Amino acid sequence: AQSVAQPEDQVNVAEGNPLTVKCTYSVSGNPYLFWYVQYPNRGLQFLLKYITGDNLVKGSYGFEAEFNKSQTSFHLKKPSALVSDSALYFCAVRDGGNFNKFYFGSGTKLNVKP
Amino acid sequence: EAQVTQNPRYLITVTGKKLTVTCSQNMNHEYMSWYRQDPGLGLRQIYYSMNVEVTDKGDVPEGYKVSRKEKRNFPLILESPSPNQTSLYFCASSPHTGVDSPLHFGNGTRLTVT
Repeated sequence: AQSVAQPEDQVNVAEGNPLTVKCTYSVSGNPYLFWYVQYPNRGLQFLLKYITGDNLVKGSYGFEAEFNKSQTSFHLKKPSALVSDSALYFCAVRDGGNFNKFYFGSGTKLNVKP
Repeated sequence: EAQVTQNPRYLITVTGKKLTVTCSQNMNHEYMSWYRQDPGLGLRQIYYSMNVEVTDKGDVPEGYKVSRKEKRNFPLILESPSPNQTSLYFCASSPHTGVDSPLHFGNGTRLTVT
């Protein structure tokens, strides 16, 4: 069975500091991984994806994510956080056996303080 | 503007009163799906549709129905809502079901069943 874990309900970081939001996954077969961001009263917006290739993936708004196969992790990172990055972040995996199915983590609330 | 539109945004109803949440996309996407978002559980997939007249169950389909008579529309039907269906619902679409195709989300429908 496919699953995604986001071990931190909340991450607090000061503006200008680097941020990391953690995600680990469990899949049978190849992992197809995604990060989404949700602002208040809005739907989820796509940030970046890992399908194959380089382990460091770059996405929107200066975010990047590092895929680590041995640790089954796909952590979201940004070198310098902005207050406007404060939002709810979801990691997701697409089922390699049935591309129609997605599995989401429980979400991590990122708070960036000025 | 390319978008996924859900209506209504907010809905309060009583147990047993049938309701429909509409979802429409203007991007000519083949794939559409419904999710519910609950605190601590992330998003869970209810139903999905690969194309017109082709639908299948996600992980939490009990108590829900869908139809896909036209490519752009994918309504979610609750024939006899119960309080445990109180949740935030999202419709999403993607161009196709390829592994690299991210989801585009609507802004959500907050449903309360009393």
